[in-house]
Amino acid sequence: EVQLVESGGGLVQPGGSLRLSCAASGFTFSDYSMNWVRQPPGKGLEWVAYISSSSGSGTIYYADSVKGRFTISRDNAKRSLYLQMNSLRDEDTAVYYCARDGAGGLYYGMDVWGQGTTVIVTS
Amino acid sequence: SYELTQPLSVSVALGQTARITCGGNNIVSKNVHWYQQKPGQAPVLIIYRDSNRPSGIPERFSGSNSGNTATLTISRAQAGDEADYYCQVWDSSTVIFGGGTKLTVL
Repeated sequence: EVQLVESGGGLVQPGGSLRLSCAASGFTFSDYSMNWVRQPPGKGLEWVAYISSSSGSGTIYYADSVKGRFTISRDNAKRSLYLQMNSLRDEDTAVYYCARDGAGGLYYGMDVWGQGTTVIVTS
Repeated sequence: SYELTQPLSVSVALGQTARITCGGNNIVSKNVHWYQQKPGQAPVLIIYRDSNRPSGIPERFSGSNSGNTATLTISRAQAGDEADYYCQVWDSSTVIFGGGTKLTVL
């Protein structure tokens, strides 16, 4: 079964750091580009970051709202995706999803999503 | 920056056809994807590249894209179709989501 499982969410103070993980199973992880997408409480979806597949020359993109604070990375040997979040702000409070791009790449939509992990930034 | 505009809400009678629009400048030049999200659940891809359905998605769901508007059409609406629907595109190395539309089946 194709599956993504996020972990690492929790409560953190403003200015703090957190590292999210996403464990992939059921497919050849290295062949797929991946994304982090978040959803603040009661609000819509907001894309956070993208990382290409192993054939994509390590291309990484970030939303302007997290650029310079968040870092996306992957370990294909461990079949895992990561999001290092630094200098966290109240507005980073959200459910964070990892999502796989379709087999054709980033122009094929995000066809597999994890269940999400919750990050709450509060003092 | 590129923006996608969706109606906040759409209502449809049980068994009728619902249409949810996604407006963007010359959106016809982009690949539009649609997601369904039910309360407490992760989004599900229901249409990719304007009009293609992933395996397992009922034929009742269809998509089109023309000019400045992409449209998700849900035929023979069922109670189980009540959800939030989001359109999405790529623009300038950025993923853009529409604000989402809440579909109510009456």
